Amino acid sequence: GAVVSQHPSRVICKSGTSVKIECRSLDFQATTMFWYRQFPKQSLMLMATSNEGSKATYEQGVEKDKFLINHASLTLSTLTVTSAHPEDSSFYICSARSLAETQYFGPGTRLLVL
Amino acid sequence: GQNIDQPTEMTATEGAIVQINCTYQTSGFNGLFWYQQHAGEAPTFLSYNVLDGLEEKGRFSSFLSRSKGYSYLLLKELQMKDSASYLCAVRDGGFQKLVFGTGTRLLVSP
Repeated sequence: GAVVSQHPSRVICKSGTSVKIECRSLDFQATTMFWYRQFPKQSLMLMATSNEGSKATYEQGVEKDKFLINHASLTLSTLTVTSAHPEDSSFYICSARSLAETQYFGPGTRLLVL
Repeated sequence: GQNIDQPTEMTATEGAIVQINCTYQTSGFNGLFWYQQHAGEAPTFLSYNVLDGLEEKGRFSSFLSRSKGYSYLLLKELQMKDSASYLCAVRDGGFQKLVFGTGTRLLVSP
């Protein structure tokens, strides 16, 4: 299947700092990428849909000024968690949609805010 | 609204067959996906159904009935490595986004 990478895989930061997570589709062009958050033993919750060259569409309850999304190219989307707090600690997963309409997930980024 | 239901946990023994059900009520429908997720890892794609019927792929099969809002994932010849969470997801017709169920944790014992 298609390959999606995320970087970093794990990050620990202090409260109040910002963290940037990159999501790349390695062997296909993805006009649409999705960002999810998953808390322990819970399912994936969609945060936002990212379209190349346009503003992201955020789900209800997700603060767009806190979770900044940039989809600069057909293979790269970034999620920046601004002024992170302990409650933002979670597993963040991106996915990219291929032309075949299947979504492929990245390996995830585990964020711990102290 | 969106509602996707799956059993929370299931157990089965190695070599057996297990069926994981998923019922859904969504505002739009453009396909149903099954993903496998091991603890601490991202989901991996298993199957996709958009038309009614059975899709078979090796030890895994997935069935869809759109009129009943129902799908199941069938796992045959269970192996220990099949112990994982199985996520049912419906693609919203209008926005092409996936809405996930709560997931079913499957434990395969010897």
